[in-house]
Amino acid sequence: AQSVTQPDIHITVSEGASLELRCNYSYGATPYLFWYVQSPGQGLQLLLKYFSGDTLVQGIKGFEAEFKRSQSSFNLRKPSVHWSDAAEYFCAVGYRGSTLGRLYFGRGTQLTVWP
Amino acid sequence: DTAVSQTPKYLVTQMGNDKSIKCEQNLGHDTMYWYKQDSKKFLKIMFSYNNKELIINETVPNRFSPKSPDKAHLNLHINSLELGDSAVYFCASSQDSQGRYGYTFGSGTRLTVV
Repeated sequence: AQSVTQPDIHITVSEGASLELRCNYSYGATPYLFWYVQSPGQGLQLLLKYFSGDTLVQGIKGFEAEFKRSQSSFNLRKPSVHWSDAAEYFCAVGYRGSTLGRLYFGRGTQLTVWP
Repeated sequence: DTAVSQTPKYLVTQMGNDKSIKCEQNLGHDTMYWYKQDSKKFLKIMFSYNNKELIINETVPNRFSPKSPDKAHLNLHINSLELGDSAVYFCASSQDSQGRYGYTFGSGTRLTVV
């Protein structure tokens, strides 16, 4: 069965520090991958996506993510975190050849930023 | 202009009532979805429509019935509401039925059943 794992439920970093949020998926098919951010009381906003090509993808708000097929991972990074980055982050996976468009979401990582 | 808009944003109702949530997208997308986010923030797909045709119907109680009058609208009707239906319901849309480009989400409807 398909699954998406975000092993860190909650991460706290200081403003200006670097950030890495982990995401692993399990399934045999070739995935396409997404990171979303959810601020309190808001919907989910797409940060970046990987479909094919360069495995290092750039997104909005200075975020990037790297697809590592050998590790079944798609970790999200930011070199310097801002207080406004505090939010819930979700990794999501879809599968090529799927005609149903279903995305599977991880359980989210809550990011707290200390001033 | 809001790309995916849901109404209402908040819905508080008593057990046993029937309620509807409406969703509209102005992106010209072909596919629309309903997701449920529980109290632990877990997102689970409920339904998906592609050009008004139901393509995903997850294991949800048949008290939940989606309706898509046209490809820009996907409504969710819930009969005989139960306490366990309390959650945030998100509507989303995607350019194609594979969701390759990701979803655009609405801002959610927080349903509280008392």
